[in-house]
Amino acid sequence: GQNIDQPTEMTATEGAIVQINCTYQTSGFNGLFWYQQHAGEAPTFLSYNVLDGLEEKGRFSSFLSRSKGYSYLLLKELQMKDSASYLCAVKGQTGANNLFFGTGTRLTVIP
Amino acid sequence: DTAVSQTPKYLVTQMGNDKSIKCEQNLGHDTMYWYKQDSKKFLKIMFSYNNKELIINETVPNRFSPKSPDKAHLNLHINSLELGDSAVYFCASSPSSYEQYFGPGTRLTVT
Repeated sequence: GQNIDQPTEMTATEGAIVQINCTYQTSGFNGLFWYQQHAGEAPTFLSYNVLDGLEEKGRFSSFLSRSKGYSYLLLKELQMKDSASYLCAVKGQTGANNLFFGTGTRLTVIP
Repeated sequence: DTAVSQTPKYLVTQMGNDKSIKCEQNLGHDTMYWYKQDSKKFLKIMFSYNNKELIINETVPNRFSPKSPDKAHLNLHINSLELGDSAVYFCASSPSSYEQYFGPGTRLTVT
């Protein structure tokens, strides 16, 4: 089975840094994705990690530790437009293009 | 130029009816998917199609049936609609093994 856990909600201040954690237990692992979803819109791709370590992309960074079944998404210099849900997703077994999503973390950025 | 499109955007219907949601992608991707996002915003995969072959089918009722007339289209047919089918349905596509691109979603309301 697949089990992916994230905090349900987080609040952070504009200009600050926030870290959203994700832990997973899955049968097979072929990468971990982070998606952003604004209310009423489709999820959009943010990052992909398949090897251990940190991937940086502008204000967003994503970290993966496969041995710990753990990832985090780091958002720097928060802006009001970063208020959204952040979805952690694990790609399962080799050969299958299935993504298993966590329940998402709703981030609210306050002035 | 819309990458992944879905129609309709909103669908309101009564219990027991049969309905279809259409999805088209112009990205030339090999794999297309259907996801269901419930009221708690949990995104769960329903089907994926690779080169017109169903490769996964996550324990969804057989009232739901995907139809792929060609590589660029994956339609979702739902028979005998039930109240619990109310949700947002997202279509997505991906190349062989990387990020998925999501359509805008179809909000289905069963009354």
